[in-house]
Amino acid sequence: KQEVTQIPAALSVPEGENLVLNCSFTDSAIYNLQWFRQDPGKGLTSLLLIQSSQREQTSGRLNASLDKSSGRSTLYIAASQPGDSATYLCAVKGSNDYKLSFGAGTTVTVRA
Amino acid sequence: SAVISQKPSRDICQRGTSLTIQCQVDSQVTMMFWYRQQPGQSLTLIATANQGSEATYESGFVIDKFPISRPNLTFSTLTVSNMSPEDSSIYLCSVSNGGYNEQFFGPGTRLTVL
Repeated sequence: KQEVTQIPAALSVPEGENLVLNCSFTDSAIYNLQWFRQDPGKGLTSLLLIQSSQREQTSGRLNASLDKSSGRSTLYIAASQPGDSATYLCAVKGSNDYKLSFGAGTTVTVRA
Repeated sequence: SAVISQKPSRDICQRGTSLTIQCQVDSQVTMMFWYRQQPGQSLTLIATANQGSEATYESGFVIDKFPISRPNLTFSTLTVSNMSPEDSSIYLCSVSNGGYNEQFFGPGTRLTVL
């Protein structure tokens, strides 16, 4: 069974600092990995999708890397802003089924 | 990306009653899923909604408690039956086109059971 771990569980930084969020998974037989953002009491917004054959994806201030062999992904958010405050979830899709396995998330607070 | 709406957005229900949650997508999608997010927890897959056939449930979830319908490629419902306070959660609809493609989520339904 796929286990997804996100470290740290919570992070508080001053505005302007770069954010580094880590995700690890136990089974490297994945099809893709998605990073999501969730605001309190709301649904999930897809941020980045990385296919298993890719090493990284970029969108604006966001960059996600994937090292499938070591079971790790990192989400970088450059020049953080208070509007980046949210919970960030990592999810992996197995290569044998359609199911997403989620980590517990990292709750980010960016202080103005 | 797909635009997904859910109704209701939130509800407060009495123990022993049932609630049906609707999920509507603005375009046809092949895969629809229902997830539960209990307070302070991450997401757990309840079932995959299959068009024209019975849903596929994950371990720990049964049809009698969570009946699901999917009459077409843009709509699905999840019913939470005989509710107890332990069912208080956010219920999320999710879709993808092709099982291995990017998945999108609806805004969620926040359910409180008293």
